[in-house]
Amino acid sequence: GAVVSQHPSRVICKSGTSVKIECRSLDFQATTMFWYRQFPKKSLMLMATSNEGSKATYEQGVEKDKFLINHASLTLSTLTVTSAHPEDSSFYICSAASGSFDEQYFGPGTRLTVT
Amino acid sequence: GIQVEQSPPDLILQEGANSTLRCNFSDSVNNLQWFHQNPWGQLINLFYIPSGTKQNGRLSATTVATERYSLLYISSSQTTDSGVYFCSLTYKYIFGTGTRLKVLA
Repeated sequence: GAVVSQHPSRVICKSGTSVKIECRSLDFQATTMFWYRQFPKKSLMLMATSNEGSKATYEQGVEKDKFLINHASLTLSTLTVTSAHPEDSSFYICSAASGSFDEQYFGPGTRLTVT
Repeated sequence: GIQVEQSPPDLILQEGANSTLRCNFSDSVNNLQWFHQNPWGQLINLFYIPSGTKQNGRLSATTVATERYSLLYISSSQTTDSGVYFCSLTYKYIFGTGTRLKVLA
């Protein structure tokens, strides 16, 4: 149990375009979903936390207008990188939990390359 | 801010060897998890262990909350154990610095 999917697994886009990444909990209801960013050979950094039906809470230094997060249902959250630039290239990983402080289950990640 | 330090940062083992990975944290722990990130980037839950000891096959973990550390034991390592191991203070959404493990055949 506790499977989280992420789509797409890889995406290459041109600078200035927007990219949407989907995160789905397949076999449980995720009250809370999280979005992380990971640079090569580095640890994961939390970008934002979202609860179903409410606005996301962004970490300090994360631009909310650039990284739009929507958590429309208990099984789906989306991250949209707007007007992407090469410095947005990274590995983005979502996770889902039944509650804000419960065990988290991670998706397989999305590797974004902005050219 | 809260610090989560892992040691060693890098580890190379011969297949069959045992190892101990350590996670030190500067805050009191509520929820702590250990993960294995495989070479493709997928994070795999190993243990959810705010305190005490748990075992799962060749892996076991111990968290001593009062002394602010957690240990992950890998016995009889296999090449498939290669990857990066992270501990995380789940309730603070903070990940440790990671231990990069390579197991040689």
